[in-house]
Amino acid sequence: QVQLRESGPGLVKPSETLSLTCTVSGGSISGSSYYWSWIRQPPGKGLEWIGNIYYSGSTHYNPSLKSRVTISVDTSRNQFSLKLSSVTAADGAVYYCARRRANQPIDSWGQGTLVTVSS
Amino acid sequence: DIQMTQSPSSLSASVGDRVTITCRASQGISSWLGWYQQKPEKAPKCLIYGASTLQSGVPSRFSGSGSGTDFTLTISSLQPEDFATYYCQQYSTFPLTFGGGTKVEIK
Repeated sequence: QVQLRESGPGLVKPSETLSLTCTVSGGSISGSSYYWSWIRQPPGKGLEWIGNIYYSGSTHYNPSLKSRVTISVDTSRNQFSLKLSSVTAADGAVYYCARRRANQPIDSWGQGTLVTVSS
Repeated sequence: DIQMTQSPSSLSASVGDRVTITCRASQGISSWLGWYQQKPEKAPKCLIYGASTLQSGVPSRFSGSGSGTDFTLTISSLQPEDFATYYCQQYSTFPLTFGGGTKVEIK
């Protein structure tokens, strides 16, 4: 059973870069045809897909965030990461890492990590 | 982007009630639709994929239907553990998009 766990700072200053890492256990991040995704949820609001990286390394991003987002993978550590630049208070949310196969919904989620943007 | 519109945004129901939630896509997505249940402070859990296929372990009181642009999630007899927020999501096309959610509350 694969498990995902997010880690990173819980507080980021406005205009700085938010950086989070997702550690995958119970399976290889590069071994199968999975999309490794980031999704966020502002407090009390709905879910927003940020983007994903395919096991081959190709990426897809939400156009609303594309200019500020980078998702990368470190196969040696079985991790993938999110960087979101120039953050504002509107980027404060619970950030989830997740996994899905092509043509399937998300089947595994991390527990989520709350990131607050404040000076 | 494909917009997903869920209705209602909230509803109050009693244990034993039949509950129906609808989701409409702004363009056809065939059956590339999933339904998720989210409880407070928890990650969402996928209940249904392919618009109508139950995930393993999901009670049979949950069912999904539809294709193209119009979809429904039905809970045939609401149980106490079903009070939660439900989201639809299309995975036909990037960017993946979610509906706004339906909060199911106790009447």
